[in-house]
Amino acid sequence: EPEVTQTPSHQVTQMGQEVILRCVPISNHLYFYWYRQILGQKVEFLVSFYNNEISEKSEIFDDQFSVERPDGSNFTLKIRSTKLEDSAMYFCASSGRVNTGELFFGEGSRLTVL
Amino acid sequence: GENVGLHLPTLSVQEGDNSIINCAYSNSASDYFIWYKQESGKGPQFIIDIRSNMDKRQGQRVTVLLNKTVKHLSLQIAATQPGDSAVYFCAERGDMRFGAGTRLTVKP
Repeated sequence: EPEVTQTPSHQVTQMGQEVILRCVPISNHLYFYWYRQILGQKVEFLVSFYNNEISEKSEIFDDQFSVERPDGSNFTLKIRSTKLEDSAMYFCASSGRVNTGELFFGEGSRLTVL
Repeated sequence: GENVGLHLPTLSVQEGDNSIINCAYSNSASDYFIWYKQESGKGPQFIIDIRSNMDKRQGQRVTVLLNKTVKHLSLQIAATQPGDSAVYFCAERGDMRFGAGTRLTVKP
């Protein structure tokens, strides 16, 4: 069964460092998403991406964040200068259709900022 | 800073009993809804969906009911098992933001 894969599963970084989280969406999907979940809290929407551009972003997705689809298979989330409060689980998701159809989530990348 | 835990609505049921998890939505124009399950330490997982032209949809051991009059969804799990223990949340597919969900605990 096709699945969304994410790497790394866990990353520990120092405050102020740049982090790149990688995702390989399901191959025929066209819509891509990043969500984050701070420990004990709900899953929060960060950004959606379609046709090589951001289609929607939340207030969390500030200038420290960026997304890219560099090679047609990977979908990355970059945090330019990590803060302690960026510590969370980051989930990538993809979908074959917009506004209908389920989101397929990866298993997440846990980011710990020290 | 302090990481304050979210106090989710909780539902505790005995193994074998039926569970009913409720969800309210606000947008009367929403035409498609999904239920997700999130087990501890894992990503959300699709359970079942329903379009607004339906009142009820059944899956394997799960049923979703949609009441458009009061903008309410429910997820019914038959013969609940310990493996059903998770956080369940509904989503309006046009809105990519999720609610906090309900934590279901199944007692053996």
